[in-house]
Order: sequence, then structure tokens, then C-alpha cells
Amino acid sequence: EPEVTQTPSHQVTQMGQEVILRCVPISNHLYFYWYRQILGQKVEFLVSFYNNEISEKSEIFDDQFSVERPDGSNFTLKIRSTKLEDSAMYFCASSGDGGKPNEQFFGPGTRLTVL
Amino acid sequence: AQTVTQSQPEMSVQEAETVTLSCTYDTSESDYYLFWYKQPPSRQMILVIRQEAYKQQNATENRFSVNFQKAAKSFSLKISDSQLGDAAMYFCAYRSAYTPLVFGKGTRLSVIA
Repeated sequence: EPEVTQTPSHQVTQMGQEVILRCVPISNHLYFYWYRQILGQKVEFLVSFYNNEISEKSEIFDDQFSVERPDGSNFTLKIRSTKLEDSAMYFCASSGDGGKPNEQFFGPGTRLTVL
Repeated sequence: AQTVTQSQPEMSVQEAETVTLSCTYDTSESDYYLFWYKQPPSRQMILVIRQEAYKQQNATENRFSVNFQKAAKSFSLKISDSQLGDAAMYFCAYRSAYTPLVFGKGTRLSVIA
């Protein structure tokens, strides 16, 4: 069964450093998303991406964040200068295979720890 | 803005018994989708069940079923014959068309052997 994959599973970085979180969505999906879950809190939407551009973003997704689909298969989230409060689980999701267009399939997440 | 409320931070159930997790939501839209996600200790998000708002029939998936009350904006999850592997955080979520998911704060379910 096709699945969303994410790498790395755990990323540790120093405050102020740049990080890139990588996702490979399900191959025939058209809509891509990033969500964040701070430990012990609910999952929060960051950004959605369709047709090679951001379709929606939340107030969390400020200028420190960017997304890219560099090669038609990968979908990346970049945090330019990490802060302590960026420590969280980051989930990638994709949807839109024509069968169930509104069902989002989640990847296993990347745990980001900012020291 | 749409909101999702899960009023039970924690629930417990005896193995083989039935438990119901509550969820209410607020929206002005008529066409939307509701989901229950399970998050085990691994923290992966696993879709348990989904419900389209235009469908009157409650969704079921094996031991999992929902009670969808559109007028009351209520969407509860019933787990029958609870198993130890059901222990997890459960998140109720809402979305309309191609808008992002809005999650509730979650209910931590413990299953007692």
C-alpha cells in the first residue's frame, strides 16, 4: 500500500541553524501539507501546497518557514533559523488521488529538537 | 473559524468493553468531512474512520463506529471490544473541501487488562 515517507525520523539542531525536513508524498497525490505538533499539544496546520505553490498557510508559517517541491517527488519544509519553540513533531500529509480526495494520508513524522 | 472540541482529556476502558469518545465541532458550512485519528506512542497519525457530512448513515470500520449528529454538530467515536492495542491518543478532526484539517486537543485512551 502506498504511504507517505519522511526523513529524518529525528533531527537535533542548534538554535539559529537551518533545517530541512523531507517528505515523499504518495506518488499520484496533488495536495501536500505540513502540520506541527508540539509535545503534549494538538496537531496544528502549517501550510498546504498545490500546483507548485502555497495554497494556504497559518499564522505559524512565518518568514522563517518555506516549502518546496524541488523534483516532482520530494516535498520539503525549511526552517531558516530555528528557535527553541520550533521543537516539535512535524508531519507531512498528502491527498488527492481521485478516489478519496479529501482524505489526507500522514507520514510518520520528523521529531525536531532544537537545543 | 472552525473549531473542534474534545471535552474528555482522558478516558479508560476495560479490555473487551465498549468506550465512546466525544467530539463537537463548530462550522457554518454544510459540506465537510470529519475524521478520527489515532496516535499511538510512536506518534504516527493513523486514520481510524471518516464521515462525509452529506451522508446520513454513520460510518463503521470493524470495531470502530461513529455517531454523527449533524444538527447537534456532534461526532463521537465508539470502540467496541476494546483491545490493548487501542490505547493511544485519539484526535477528532474537521475539514471542508480542500481546506486543511482542524484538530481537537485529543483524548488519551487507556485500556485496562
